[in-house]
Order: sequence, then C-alpha cells, then structure tokens
Amino acid sequence: DTEVTQTPKHLVMGMTNKKSLKCEQHMGHRAMYWYKQKAKKPPELMFVYSYEKLSINESVPSRFSPECPNSSLLNLHLHALQPEDSALYLCASSQDLGIMNTEAFFGQGTRLTVV
Amino acid sequence: AQKVTQAQTEISVVEKEDVTLDCVYETRDTTYYLFWYKQPPSGELVFLIRRNSFDEQNEISGRYSWNFQKSTSSFNFTITASQVVDSAVYFCALSEENSGSARQLTFGSGTQLTVLP
Repeated sequence: DTEVTQTPKHLVMGMTNKKSLKCEQHMGHRAMYWYKQKAKKPPELMFVYSYEKLSINESVPSRFSPECPNSSLLNLHLHALQPEDSALYLCASSQDLGIMNTEAFFGQGTRLTVV
Repeated sequence: AQKVTQAQTEISVVEKEDVTLDCVYETRDTTYYLFWYKQPPSGELVFLIRRNSFDEQNEISGRYSWNFQKSTSSFNFTITASQVVDSAVYFCALSEENSGSARQLTFGSGTQLTVLP
C-alpha cells in the first residue's frame, strides 16, 4: 500500500469558517508534509513533521495550523482564510527525514476555494 | 542555494512521437538527489524516478528514459512513442543532503505536456 489519502477532495469555505484537511498514510512513514500549490505553479512546502513533531514551518500564517495526532495522520486546521489561500493542498509522506535515498509519496490533494 | 530550471513551459506532440523534457539544476552539494514527478489533472504527484548524484547511469523503464549528466547539471526525461495518457504536468525536483533539518524538495516550475491523438 503506497497510498496517501486526503480528505476532502474538494472544499469550499467562507472566510469566517473553520475547517480541517485530513491526510492518512499506512506505509510506516515517519515524515509527513503539507504543500500548497497554486494553479500552474510548483508545490510550495508549508510544514514538515518528523516523528509527530513539527520540524519545519516555512513562515506560514497562523491561520493555517498543522497537527499530527499520530504517525499515520496529519491534519491542517484552517481558520479565517483569505480568498488568496485558494489552492490545491497536497500532503506527502516519506520514510524518514534522515534517509535521503527515498522518495516522497503524495496524496491527490484537497482543492480549496475560499469565498 | 539549490535551483531547478525547466525551461519548457508547455510542449505539444502528436501521439507516437518521442518527446524530451529538460531539467537543469544548480547545487553546491556533492551529494544530492534528483526526482521526476508526474501530475495528471487529478492532482496527485506521481513519483517516476529518483537518482543520486553518484549514479550517472542512464535508466530506461518501459517508454520512459532518463539521461543524467553531471557535467552539464542536467537530468532530462524522454518519453518514447508518447500516448494521450502521458498528458500531464511533469516536475523535476532536487533534494540536497545539507538542506537543513528536513529533506526538502526544490521543484522546477513544471512542463505541461499535451499529447494529441
């Protein structure tokens, strides 16, 4: 099973709403990532978790709040978003941050629209 | 700082033609990894290949082949006898050994490949 599952696939939310994106993997990977991808652009790293601890926050605004409840799950809590936050949010996992010779597996993403 | 350049923004070919996607990278590290990912319209980034900086052997996998040349800092990707299902955005990416505390992927800007029937 080399799958990273993201829910929901599509999300429309108002600027005052609170919502959460979910990501799950059962490959035993200990590194998990959130990326943001705008149309016709490459993915941009937002957060990295290693062994359930936040390892990197790429200066992401506090209206995005990540959470890693266990080694298989990664959440991204959204609050008071702006229309410019509309994008494809991709979750990824890899075996371990310290192991270079391994690829990252990506989910299908959540297409978020903020209205 | 590391950088990946995919100069071809969009390429269109007719089915069964061969097509090469270019990737040029910059890094100060001697140990690094190069990747190609495919992103179909569904959105998922599909891993295609990983290459480390010490392995310059070219690789072939079915209709796909990769040409890694350290002398020119290039890692080009060729699809032979292209098919409509190959239509997607293709990203080249770089990961350095000394990229800090995390394995970060630096992506190129991507090449949109359209294969016409």
